[in-house]
Amino acid sequence: SQQGEEDPQALSIQEGENATMNCSYKTSINNLQWYRQNSGRGLVHLILIRSNEREKHSGRLRVTLDTSKKSSSLLITASRAADTASYFCATDPLSGGYNKLIFGAGTRLAVHP
Amino acid sequence: GAVVSQHPSWVICKSGTSVKIECRSLDFQATTMFWYRQFPKQSLMLMATSNEGSKATYEQGVEKDKFLINHASLTLSTLTVTSAHPEDSSFYICSARAWTGGRDTQYFGPGTRLTVL
Repeated sequence: SQQGEEDPQALSIQEGENATMNCSYKTSINNLQWYRQNSGRGLVHLILIRSNEREKHSGRLRVTLDTSKKSSSLLITASRAADTASYFCATDPLSGGYNKLIFGAGTRLAVHP
Repeated sequence: GAVVSQHPSWVICKSGTSVKIECRSLDFQATTMFWYRQFPKQSLMLMATSNEGSKATYEQGVEKDKFLINHASLTLSTLTVTSAHPEDSSFYICSARAWTGGRDTQYFGPGTRLTVL
């Protein structure tokens, strides 16, 4: 399968709560990236974490990477209704060539006011 | 920042017709562009890698004669869905590869929604 796996598939929380999404992948990677997609729209790049990094922060986002378990997590703290979107992880595999990105199945996040 | 546009943003066509989708890098040159397809509530599936001046590289299971890709210049790649059928209805997204800040980065277009009647 081309895709990695993400869980949960869907997540519903209240504003102010934290949202955690997980991503697992299959092959060795150069880096892992997280994207956001609003319904029917294009992708917005959120954050990139390299294979030699373990944790990265950007504003309310915190990403971790465990290459031994081939997994990553995205934490959104103090969520807002505007964070409602689908979130995808994408891996840049070592053997892929041409910087091909392999996308996970995505997590649909709903943040309720 | 690097901007990628797609045209049209949506298109409705009759079964059996061909549809061309354009992907442009507006403020940078891209020797490599990628085409993805996304069905409703699903993830992006890479269809092909478009290389300027050479043939596209298609992913397994993607018919090259049905999805024609032309990367004629460093800022334009086109995807033509030939003899479209309802099962080709999908959201098509392109991305363009660029070196930014010493890093190899993909910039995504806003997508084109294709509906085949």
